[in-house]
Amino acid sequence: AQTVTQSQPEMSVQEAETVTLSCTYDTSESDYYLFWYKQPPSRQMILVIRQEAYKQQNATENRFSVNFQKAAKSFSLKISDSQLGDAAMYFCAYIRAGNNRKLIWGLGTSLAVNP
Amino acid sequence: ETGVTQSPTHLIKTRGQQVTLRCSSQSGHNTVSWYQQALGQGPQFIFQYYREEENGRGNFPPRFSGLQFPNYSSELNVNALELDDSALYLCASSLAGTGSNSPLHFGNGTRLTVT
Repeated sequence: AQTVTQSQPEMSVQEAETVTLSCTYDTSESDYYLFWYKQPPSRQMILVIRQEAYKQQNATENRFSVNFQKAAKSFSLKISDSQLGDAAMYFCAYIRAGNNRKLIWGLGTSLAVNP
Repeated sequence: ETGVTQSPTHLIKTRGQQVTLRCSSQSGHNTVSWYQQALGQGPQFIFQYYREEENGRGNFPPRFSGLQFPNYSSELNVNALELDDSALYLCASSLAGTGSNSPLHFGNGTRLTVT
């Protein structure tokens, strides 16, 4: 069975600094997708960034980038130039390729941004 | 473009009662999936609906059931409520037929409290 592990329940970062959130996963599949979602107090899950397993190049979205290590099954999120609005729960998620919509989620990392 | 909307936002029920949660999918989306997020946990996949049929289910008992309507909106029904059913229930819509590259769009969730 696929699993997703986030080993950092809480993290903090100073405004304008850089922080990295860790995620590891386990799967026997070769074709899959990985995601980072942000959940602010509003509760809505917001997609931050996604990575296709078949792509070697790490995904980047503005201040957000990932370090995808397929062999090590590691998928960390780097937030550069942290802003107060980045404070939220961050969830790492996995989905097997295909038309299913069954995301497997980690337990989340609570990120605090200090002014 | 109308996003995913869920109703109600909050709900309090008594153990043994039944509850219906509603979700309107994003315009143009034909697939709806439901997740249960207990406090301090990552979401757990309940099931998904495509063209009014359930086509994927997580590890939830039969008292969790759903419907999808021709306009792709959806309901989640839970019978014989238990205290452990207290959670945030998230609905996500997406466009099937485009593989897992089609991102899930989440609503703000319904917070269910069972007393």
